Amino acid sequence: GIQVEQSPPDLILQEGANSTLRCNFSDSVNNLQWFHQNPWGQLINLFYIPSGTKQNGRLSATTVATERYSLLYISSSQTTDSGVYFCAVEDPNDMRFGAGTRLTVKP
Amino acid sequence: GAVVSQHPSWVICKSGTSVKIECRSLDFQATTMFWYRQFPKQSLMLMATSNEGSKATYEQGVEKDKFLINHASLTLSTLTVTSAHPEDSSFYICSASGQRENVRHNEQFFGPGTRLTVL
Repeated sequence: GIQVEQSPPDLILQEGANSTLRCNFSDSVNNLQWFHQNPWGQLINLFYIPSGTKQNGRLSATTVATERYSLLYISSSQTTDSGVYFCAVEDPNDMRFGAGTRLTVKP
Repeated sequence: GAVVSQHPSWVICKSGTSVKIECRSLDFQATTMFWYRQFPKQSLMLMATSNEGSKATYEQGVEKDKFLINHASLTLSTLTVTSAHPEDSSFYICSASGQRENVRHNEQFFGPGTRLTVL
C-alpha cells in the first residue's frame, strides 16, 4: 500500500510564529486530506486537496501531485492550533494516515 | 462540513462483556463508513470499511468475529467489540463518506470518537 510520511514529528512554536508541515506519499493519489486532531480526539477536516493550493484563513495547503508531497502552512499561530495534524491519502478505497505532526503553540 | 456523531463518547466495561458503538451521519447519506482505532500518541489505523447493505471489508490482522460491523442503513453503522479484553482498550473513531450537496463522494468526515476502557 501507499506509504505516508509526515515531518516534523514534533513542533514547538511561540504564539504568532509561522510553520510548514510536510506530507510525502509514495504513489499517485486521487484524494489527499489534512486533518487537525484536537486534544479531545476530534478530527477536524482542514483541506481536501489532491492537487493545487487552497487557503482558509490563517491556514493554506499546497499539493504537488507529480512530486508526491503536500504542505500545510500555518501563519500567525495561536495556542488553539495545538494538537496533531494528520495528512491522509486515498489507497484507493480507504484512507492511509501519516504518523502526524504534534504541534504545541506556547503563549 | 458534514456532521458525524458517535455514541457513546466513552465506556468502561468488564473483561468478557460486549460493547456496541454507534456511528451516525446526521446530515448526509453515508454510502461508506470506516472504523479506525487509535492508541495513545499514535496515528489512526483503519480496521474496516463498510458499505451500506453489504458485509464489511476488514484490514489484515483485524478479527472480524471480534469486531462485528453492521451498516444497515445509509445513516448508521455499528461496531460491536465482543468479549472485550483489556488489550482492546483504545480510542475508536468512525468516519463516513457519501452523498450530499457540496460534499465530495470520497471526502471523509469523522465522528468524535469513543474511548473504550476494559477492566
